[in-house]
Amino acid sequence: EVQLVESGGGLVQPGGSLRLSCAASGFIFTSYAMSWVRQAPGKGLEWVSSISGTGASTYYADSVKGRFTISRDSSKDTLYLEMNSLRVEDTAVYFCAKALVVVVSAMDYWGQGTLVTVSS
Amino acid sequence: EIVLTQSPGTLSLSPGERATLSCRASQSISSTYLAWYQHKPGRAPRLLIYGASNRATGIPDRFSGSGSGIDFTLTISRLEPEDFAVYYCQQYADSPRAFGQGTRLEIK
Repeated sequence: EVQLVESGGGLVQPGGSLRLSCAASGFIFTSYAMSWVRQAPGKGLEWVSSISGTGASTYYADSVKGRFTISRDSSKDTLYLEMNSLRVEDTAVYFCAKALVVVVSAMDYWGQGTLVTVSS
Repeated sequence: EIVLTQSPGTLSLSPGERATLSCRASQSISSTYLAWYQHKPGRAPRLLIYGASNRATGIPDRFSGSGSGIDFTLTISRLEPEDFAVYYCQQYADSPRAFGQGTRLEIK
């Protein structure tokens, strides 16, 4: 059974940093691209970042480029999102999601999300 | 950058009726790279359709997707009570892999 479990969310001040983790199980981690998607309060889904199965290719939304870094550790079957220079507008539930294939594609399994609140 | 515009913003229908949701792209995209998701409050999003017309595993056949170029459609043939939710299209042809703004399907 595929499982994705996010952790690392919490309250942080503007300008601060946070690292989200997504522990994956039930599938061959390196065979699938992974992504982070967020939903701000009262808003729709926003794609944040994706990484290929090998980790060689990464992609970012303009709103987070230069501040967020996506990575993956195949020895731990874990996806990460390092978030720096956080802004109030980064407040959201962050979901990790597994792609259908090794390259970035539609996302067939999702975690339950972790809440990030950026506030002073 | 490809922008997806969904319509209508809100759709009010009754169980048993047919729902037609639209997703229009700002430029032509291959149908290979268009997906639809269902999202309910407090839940993880659920993949319904990928490649514009392929149902994901376990998705009932009352859900169907169609379209090409810039116009794509999600159809729910006969609404069940559990289908009332927010629906998003997403393109993954190019970065940013943006979602549309969503269509809220509510019970009339």
